[in-house]
Amino acid sequence: DIQMTQSPASLSASLEEIVTITCQASQDIGNWLAWYQQKPGKSPQLLIYDATSLADGVPSRFSGSRSGTQYSLKISRLQVEDIGSYYCQQAHSNPPTFGSGTKLEIK
Amino acid sequence: EVQLVESGGGLVQPKGSLKLSCAASGFDFNSYGMSWVRQAPGKGLDLVADISSKSYNYATYYADSVKDRFTISRDDSQSMVYLQMDNLKTEDTALYYCTVDEGTDYFDYWGQGVMVTVSS
Repeated sequence: DIQMTQSPASLSASLEEIVTITCQASQDIGNWLAWYQQKPGKSPQLLIYDATSLADGVPSRFSGSRSGTQYSLKISRLQVEDIGSYYCQQAHSNPPTFGSGTKLEIK
Repeated sequence: EVQLVESGGGLVQPKGSLKLSCAASGFDFNSYGMSWVRQAPGKGLDLVADISSKSYNYATYYADSVKDRFTISRDDSQSMVYLQMDNLKTEDTALYYCTVDEGTDYFDYWGQGVMVTVSS
Protein backbone atom coordinates (compact mmCIF):
# COMPACT_ATOMS: atom_id res chain seq x y z
CA ASP A 1 0.00 0.00 0.00
CA ILE A 2 1.10 3.58 -0.64
CA GLN A 3 2.07 5.41 2.55
CA MET A 4 1.12 9.05 3.01
CA THR A 5 3.30 10.88 5.55
CA GLN A 6 1.54 14.02 6.71
CA SER A 7 3.04 16.87 8.72
CA PRO A 8 2.79 18.55 11.08
CA ALA A 9 0.55 16.50 13.36
CA SER A 10 -0.69 19.69 14.97
CA LEU A 11 -0.43 23.35 14.18
CA SER A 12 -1.31 26.51 16.04
CA ALA A 13 -1.56 29.68 13.99
CA SER A 14 -2.90 33.21 14.27
CA LEU A 15 -5.88 34.58 12.39
CA GLU A 16 -4.97 35.90 8.91
CA GLU A 17 -1.74 33.89 9.00
CA ILE A 18 -0.62 31.68 6.13
CA VAL A 19 -0.81 27.98 6.99
CA THR A 20 0.80 25.12 5.10
CA ILE A 21 0.28 21.38 5.60
CA THR A 22 2.24 18.80 3.66
CA CYS A 23 1.92 15.17 2.62
CA GLN A 24 4.71 13.01 1.29
CA ALA A 25 3.76 10.00 -0.82
CA SER A 26 5.89 6.86 -0.61
CA GLN A 27 5.83 6.56 -4.40
CA ASP A 28 4.67 8.45 -7.45
CA ILE A 29 0.94 9.15 -7.32
CA GLY A 30 0.79 11.82 -10.02
CA ASN A 31 -1.95 14.30 -9.21
CA TRP A 32 -4.16 11.66 -7.57
CA LEU A 33 -4.42 13.41 -4.26
CA ALA A 34 -7.26 14.88 -2.24
CA TRP A 35 -7.46 16.99 0.89
CA TYR A 36 -10.33 16.73 3.37
CA GLN A 37 -11.37 19.11 6.11
CA GLN A 38 -13.01 17.81 9.26
CA LYS A 39 -14.44 20.46 11.52
CA PRO A 40 -14.84 19.55 15.21
CA GLY A 41 -17.66 17.06 15.70
CA LYS A 42 -18.44 16.92 11.98
CA SER A 43 -17.86 14.53 9.08
CA PRO A 44 -14.92 15.05 6.74
CA GLN A 45 -15.59 17.07 3.60
CA LEU A 46 -13.74 17.02 0.32
CA LEU A 47 -11.70 20.21 0.05
CA ILE A 48 -9.32 19.71 -2.86
CA TYR A 49 -9.03 16.96 -5.47
CA ASP A 50 -6.54 16.14 -8.20
CA ALA A 51 -3.94 17.88 -6.02
CA THR A 52 -4.94 21.42 -7.01
CA SER A 53 -8.66 21.60 -7.85
CA LEU A 54 -11.02 23.15 -5.32
CA ALA A 55 -14.21 21.25 -4.55
CA ASP A 56 -17.50 23.10 -4.99
CA GLY A 57 -18.06 25.87 -2.47
CA VAL A 58 -14.52 25.86 -1.06
CA PRO A 59 -13.19 29.38 -0.40
CA SER A 60 -10.38 30.59 -2.64
CA ARG A 61 -8.05 31.06 0.35
CA PHE A 62 -7.48 27.29 0.14
CA SER A 63 -5.07 26.00 -2.47
CA GLY A 64 -3.20 22.81 -3.25
CA SER A 65 0.13 22.25 -4.91
CA ARG A 66 2.52 19.48 -5.84
CA SER A 67 6.27 19.15 -6.06
CA GLY A 68 7.25 15.66 -7.12
CA THR A 69 5.80 13.34 -4.48
CA GLN A 70 5.25 16.11 -1.95
CA TYR A 71 1.85 17.76 -1.77
CA SER A 72 0.86 20.88 0.09
CA LEU A 73 -2.36 22.43 1.31
CA LYS A 74 -2.15 26.17 1.87
CA ILE A 75 -4.59 28.44 3.65
CA SER A 76 -3.67 31.95 2.63
CA ARG A 77 -5.43 33.84 5.45
CA LEU A 78 -6.52 31.66 8.36
CA GLN A 79 -10.10 32.20 9.52
CA VAL A 80 -11.84 30.96 12.66
CA GLU A 81 -14.03 28.62 10.60
CA ASP A 82 -10.93 26.82 9.30
CA ILE A 83 -10.30 25.21 12.66
CA GLY A 84 -10.34 21.42 12.60
CA SER A 85 -8.36 18.53 11.20
CA TYR A 86 -7.07 18.07 7.68
CA TYR A 87 -6.29 14.80 5.92
CA CYS A 88 -4.66 13.98 2.63
CA GLN A 89 -5.64 10.88 0.63
CA GLN A 90 -4.07 9.26 -2.40
CA ALA A 91 -6.28 7.79 -5.10
CA HIS A 92 -3.56 6.56 -7.43
CA SER A 93 -3.51 2.93 -6.31
CA ASN A 94 -5.87 0.66 -4.45
CA PRO A 95 -6.44 0.74 -1.62
CA PRO A 96 -6.83 4.50 -1.19
CA THR A 97 -4.83 5.59 1.84
CA PHE A 98 -4.98 8.60 4.12
CA GLY A 99 -2.38 10.69 5.83
CA SER A 100 -2.43 10.67 9.63
CA GLY A 101 -4.00 14.12 9.83
CA THR A 102 -3.14 17.63 10.98
CA LYS A 103 -5.03 19.30 13.79
CA LEU A 104 -5.23 23.05 13.22
CA GLU A 105 -5.91 25.43 16.09
CA ILE A 106 -5.99 29.16 16.58
CA LYS A 107 -3.11 30.65 18.54
CA GLU B 1 -28.74 17.15 -2.50
CA VAL B 2 -26.67 14.09 -1.68
CA GLN B 3 -27.64 12.44 1.57
CA LEU B 4 -26.04 9.45 3.28
CA VAL B 5 -27.73 8.34 6.49
CA GLU B 6 -26.09 5.62 8.56
CA SER B 7 -27.80 3.49 11.18
CA GLY B 8 -27.33 0.30 13.15
CA GLY B 9 -24.50 1.23 15.47
CA GLY B 10 -24.33 0.61 19.19
CA LEU B 11 -22.61 -1.21 22.00
CA VAL B 12 -21.69 -4.83 21.43
CA GLN B 13 -19.54 -7.33 23.28
CA PRO B 14 -16.33 -8.72 21.82
CA LYS B 15 -16.99 -11.54 19.36
CA GLY B 16 -20.46 -10.14 18.77
CA SER B 17 -22.04 -8.97 15.51
CA LEU B 18 -23.58 -5.78 14.21
CA LYS B 19 -24.97 -4.70 10.84
CA LEU B 20 -24.62 -1.12 9.69
CA SER B 21 -26.91 0.36 7.06
CA CYS B 22 -26.55 3.44 4.90
CA ALA B 23 -29.50 4.97 3.08
CA ALA B 24 -28.40 7.02 0.07
CA SER B 25 -30.29 9.63 -1.92
CA GLY B 26 -29.69 12.60 -4.20
CA PHE B 27 -27.46 10.91 -6.74
CA ASP B 28 -27.47 8.00 -9.20
CA PHE B 29 -26.73 5.33 -6.60
CA ASN B 30 -26.54 2.47 -9.11
CA SER B 31 -23.64 4.09 -10.95
CA TYR B 32 -21.12 4.65 -8.16
CA GLY B 33 -18.93 2.86 -5.70
CA MET B 34 -19.70 3.02 -2.00
CA SER B 35 -17.35 2.75 0.94
CA TRP B 36 -17.21 2.52 4.70
CA VAL B 37 -14.48 4.58 6.36
CA ARG B 38 -13.94 4.49 10.11
CA GLN B 39 -12.38 6.80 12.65
CA ALA B 40 -11.37 5.48 16.07
CA PRO B 41 -11.80 8.00 18.90
CA GLY B 42 -9.23 10.77 18.52
CA LYS B 43 -7.62 9.05 15.55
CA GLY B 44 -7.44 9.38 11.78
CA LEU B 45 -9.39 7.94 8.87
CA ASP B 46 -9.17 4.34 7.64
CA LEU B 47 -10.92 2.72 4.71
CA VAL B 48 -12.68 -0.40 5.97
CA ALA B 49 -14.41 -1.74 2.86
CA ASP B 50 -15.74 -0.65 -0.47
CA ILE B 51 -18.00 -2.05 -3.17
CA SER B 52 -18.09 -1.02 -6.79
CA SER B 53 -21.13 -0.55 -8.98
CA LYS B 54 -22.78 -3.26 -11.08
CA SER B 55 -20.72 -2.02 -14.04
CA TYR B 56 -17.65 -3.28 -12.22
CA ASN B 57 -19.31 -6.48 -11.04
CA TYR B 58 -19.80 -5.31 -7.48
CA ALA B 59 -16.10 -5.82 -6.77
CA THR B 60 -15.22 -5.51 -3.11
CA TYR B 61 -12.20 -4.50 -1.08
CA TYR B 62 -11.52 -5.09 2.61
CA ALA B 63 -8.80 -3.75 4.83
CA ASP B 64 -6.60 -6.53 6.18
CA SER B 65 -7.76 -5.75 9.72
CA VAL B 66 -11.37 -6.68 8.89
CA LYS B 67 -10.95 -9.29 6.17
CA ASP B 68 -12.96 -12.47 6.86
CA ARG B 69 -14.93 -10.69 9.59
CA PHE B 70 -16.75 -7.88 7.75
CA THR B 71 -18.93 -8.11 4.64
CA ILE B 72 -20.00 -5.14 2.53
CA SER B 73 -23.08 -5.39 0.32
CA ARG B 74 -25.47 -3.14 -1.52
CA ASP B 75 -29.08 -3.15 -2.67
CA ASP B 76 -29.37 -0.95 -5.74
CA SER B 77 -33.17 -1.26 -5.76
CA GLN B 78 -33.28 0.39 -2.33
CA SER B 79 -30.20 2.64 -2.64
CA MET B 80 -28.76 1.00 0.44
CA VAL B 81 -25.30 -0.16 1.40
CA TYR B 82 -24.57 -2.43 4.34
CA LEU B 83 -21.66 -3.52 6.48
CA GLN B 84 -22.09 -6.82 8.30
CA MET B 85 -19.56 -6.96 11.11
CA ASP B 86 -18.90 -10.30 12.81
CA ASN B 87 -16.44 -11.42 15.46
CA LEU B 88 -16.03 -7.82 16.56
CA LYS B 89 -12.92 -6.79 18.46
CA THR B 90 -12.32 -3.91 20.86
CA GLU B 91 -10.12 -2.29 18.21
CA ASP B 92 -13.15 -2.04 15.89
CA THR B 93 -14.54 0.67 18.18
CA ALA B 94 -14.94 3.69 15.94
CA LEU B 95 -17.24 6.09 14.17
CA TYR B 96 -18.17 4.49 10.86
CA TYR B 97 -18.85 6.75 7.89
CA CYS B 98 -20.65 5.81 4.70
CA THR B 99 -19.11 7.53 1.67
CA VAL B 100 -19.68 7.71 -2.07
CA ASP B 101 -17.18 7.96 -4.91
CA GLU B 102 -18.96 9.68 -7.79
CA GLY B 103 -16.49 8.36 -10.31
CA THR B 104 -13.69 10.59 -9.08
CA ASP B 105 -11.78 7.98 -7.02
CA TYR B 106 -12.18 10.30 -4.05
CA PHE B 107 -14.66 10.23 -1.19
CA ASP B 108 -16.97 12.90 -2.53
CA TYR B 109 -19.66 12.82 0.14
CA TRP B 110 -19.82 11.50 3.70
CA GLY B 111 -22.64 10.59 6.02
CA GLN B 112 -22.85 11.85 9.59
CA GLY B 113 -21.36 8.62 10.91
CA VAL B 114 -22.57 5.91 13.26
CA MET B 115 -20.77 4.89 16.43
CA VAL B 116 -19.77 1.30 17.10
CA THR B 117 -18.46 0.47 20.55
CA VAL B 118 -17.04 -2.98 21.24
CA SER B 119 -16.64 -3.56 24.94
CA SER B 120 -17.43 -6.11 27.60
